[in-house]
Order: sequence, then C-alpha cells, then structure tokens
Amino acid sequence: GAGVSQSPSNKVTEKGKDVELRCDPISGHTALYWYRQSLGQGLEFLIYFQGNSAPDKSGLPSDRFSAERTGGSVSTLTIQRTQQEDSAVYLCASSIAGGGLDTQYFGPGTRLTVL
Amino acid sequence: RKEVEQDPGPFNVPEGATVAFNCTYSNSASQSFFWYRQDCRKEPKLLMSVYSSGNEDGRFTAQLNRASQYISLLIRDSKLSDSATYLCVVRGGTYKYIFGTGTRLKVLA
Repeated sequence: GAGVSQSPSNKVTEKGKDVELRCDPISGHTALYWYRQSLGQGLEFLIYFQGNSAPDKSGLPSDRFSAERTGGSVSTLTIQRTQQEDSAVYLCASSIAGGGLDTQYFGPGTRLTVL
Repeated sequence: RKEVEQDPGPFNVPEGATVAFNCTYSNSASQSFFWYRQDCRKEPKLLMSVYSSGNEDGRFTAQLNRASQYISLLIRDSKLSDSATYLCVVRGGTYKYIFGTGTRLKVLA
C-alpha cells in the first residue's frame, strides 16, 4: 500500500533562496509531523498537525520556517532565506490519530543541502 | 540533561551474539515507549513498542523499568541484517515523540 511520500528527495540550493518541501501522508492519517535530522544527530521535532486543530509550531527553529497542511492531507514545509545550518534531512511522519501507542510512519525524507 | 539518552556506540558484535542496548529518559510522566530502527540514509521504521510487562518479537525483547526510567532492547542471535542504528523513542502525555540520537550496531561476519 501507499506509504508516506516526500518530494523532492534531494534539494540543493544556494544560501538565501527559499525552498518548499512536500509531504503526502498515508490516506486517513490525521496526525502529521515534521522533523529535522542533521548528520549524526537525533530527530528534532519541528511541527505537528492534528486534524483541524491549530498546529503545534513550537519546534520551528526560526521565523524563516513555516508549514501548512491543506485539506487535512498534504503538507508543505517552507524555509525562507535558507542558511547553511539548515542543511539536513527533513522527515515527515504520519499516524492515525496522534494518540497513545500510535505508530508513526515516516517518509523517505528530503535531503536539503544549502551551499 | 537530554530527555532521552542512548549510548551512541558503535557496538561491534559477531554474528550469533546477543547484544543489549539501554536508553534512559528524564520525564517520569512518559507514557509510551518505542524502539525504531534506522538504516543508513533511510527513514526510521518502528521495530517494536515497549509494554510495561515487557514484550518479545522473535529475536528481539524489549523491557521497561519505570522506577529507574530506562528501557532496553535485547537482540539474540544477531544477523548481519541487524546492522543499523536503533532509536529509543519516548512519548509523554502529549503527542510529542522524543527521539534519542540512536545506538549504532554493526554485526560482523
């Protein structure tokens, strides 16, 4: 069956440019998470969407980062004026309802390189 | 102190060996616990949830010790294909999952 998909798989950009990363969660999953993983580091929580509730943006590292989720499905993470420290793998995960022993299913990630 | 701590390893073990990883967590209110596996340049995948009474899935056994605030993962009869990074994941009363930085395992032929 279809899992979580992300695009692009790789993105190389120049410092100062804006980038947009896309996540398609598993159909029917109401909870959607964005994480960032830098080389050799753990997953850093960025943002959480649950249904129609206001998202938890507490993990976004700066106001250059923003995310949307349209129609309770597809999500886009936008990074404005990219910096070299933004280079990382950006992972999206979805789960059925965001509760209890919900299993998070991860997409393959977008590897972002800022030159 | 990090919310979830793991020994980064690497643990280099021969095929057939038994290996154990521990993970400690700081929030005593944590409610759910998981082990994920992450292969090199791949996304994390759920290996197993960790239940209060401990649970086993084939060669893998997970234990939870709430009093000491740690969870463990035991792998018996290690295979080459077990080589990966094992992520400890803890969840409190909210929806947030806190990931450890992972323990790297290399199973040697």
